[in-house]
Amino acid sequence: GAGVSQSPSNKVTEKGKDVELRCDPISGHTALYWYRQSLGQGLEFLIYFQGNSAPDKSGLPSDRFSAERTGGSVSTLTIQRTQQEDSAVYLCASSPERGLRNEQYFGPGTRLTVT
Amino acid sequence: KQEVTQIPAALSVPEGENLVLNCSFTDSAIYNLQWFRQDPGKGLTSLLLIQSSQREQTSGRLNASLDKSSGRSTLYIAASQPGDSATYLCAVFGGGADGLTFGKGTHLIIQP
Repeated sequence: GAGVSQSPSNKVTEKGKDVELRCDPISGHTALYWYRQSLGQGLEFLIYFQGNSAPDKSGLPSDRFSAERTGGSVSTLTIQRTQQEDSAVYLCASSPERGLRNEQYFGPGTRLTVT
Repeated sequence: KQEVTQIPAALSVPEGENLVLNCSFTDSAIYNLQWFRQDPGKGLTSLLLIQSSQREQTSGRLNASLDKSSGRSTLYIAASQPGDSATYLCAVFGGGADGLTFGKGTHLIIQP
């Protein structure tokens, strides 16, 4: 079956512009996660959705970052007024449920370059 | 705050050898531990998930063990092949509103 998909695969933007990254989870997966992978920081967790709700947004790096999920499916991660330190690969994952069986399946990522 | 450490950071071995990758974590209150592989420029592929109540999981030539009380996991790869070359990542899930906490990975090269 179809895995997690993300778009765009690559995005180059100028400093100060806004960008929107999209994630399509595996059909039927209720939990959705965003992560960021950068050379200096490794893989870091950003935010989690159960259905359309994000219980804790404290993992987002700054108030320039926001995320939403609609219809319990597609999610978008928006970065406003991008900075060079936002350059990274943004990964999305989904899971059928939380807890013991929280096996997460990752998409291919969006490589963001801020010039 | 949970911290995950992977040793070694890099490993290069000849084809056919059996090898062990190590992962340690500081907080033993985890729901599960997951091993992934990442190929260059690609996303993460899930290899094995061990629930907190389990001691090990096996898939083909891969075997992962979990000692939750001591905060350690190992990934054993039998009869390594050049196609096993990748970065291997260990991640733990602690529940709540958190996601996975990852180690920095072991970069593995299998020489033909």
